Amino acid sequence: EMQLVESGGGLVQPGGSLRLSCAAAGFTFSSYWMHWVRQAPGKGLVWVSRIKSDGSSTSYADSVKGRFTISRDNAKNTLYLQMNSLRAEDTAVYYCAREEIIVISDAGDYNYYYYMDVWGKGTTVTVSS
Amino acid sequence: DIQMTQSPSSLSASVGDRVTITCRSSHNIYTYLNWFQQKPGKAPKLLIYIASSLQSGVPSRFSGSGSGTDFTLTISSLQPEDFATYYCQQSFGTPRTFGPGTKVDIK
Repeated sequence: EMQLVESGGGLVQPGGSLRLSCAAAGFTFSSYWMHWVRQAPGKGLVWVSRIKSDGSSTSYADSVKGRFTISRDNAKNTLYLQMNSLRAEDTAVYYCAREEIIVISDAGDYNYYYYMDVWGKGTTVTVSS
Repeated sequence: DIQMTQSPSSLSASVGDRVTITCRSSHNIYTYLNWFQQKPGKAPKLLIYIASSLQSGVPSRFSGSGSGTDFTLTISSLQPEDFATYYCQQSFGTPRTFGPGTKVDIK
């Protein structure tokens, strides 16, 4: 069974740091792009960060750029999110998600489509003094 | 960044009703549009990808349509387990933006 399990959440003071982990099982972790998505209490889903399968490329939401770092260890089947300089507005449930990529040929062109098909249950981060 | 909007933000419906949720993007995203269902305290669940492809295991009463900037999620006959919040999300570019969600509750 494909599974993602987040850990590392907790209560931290403003300005503090946390490292989230996401352990993958049941699929070839090293073949997939991975994402972090967060959800503040009572709010919607917000994309946070993405890392490509080999770790060669990363991308961040403007709200976390320069403070958060996404990384992965394909040998350990684990995704990470290092969060520094935490703010109250970073309080949220953090989900990791696998992104499937499929290629569809259309009139000789190849189109790459992306969708997040496997999600963890989330880990809660609370930033408060 | 590509902005996503959804309407309505909430709706009340009865079991058996046909429900339609609309999603609009600020740019042409072709069919790079996915739909998710989320129940309280649970992770999002993929329902529809590439605008109209049904994810494995998702009941056929769910369907998606649209391309370009306008998309629709339809539930043909609402079931008790469908009361949830629904999000659209574009995967044409990064950041992968989500719509604000549509909450479907019981009338």
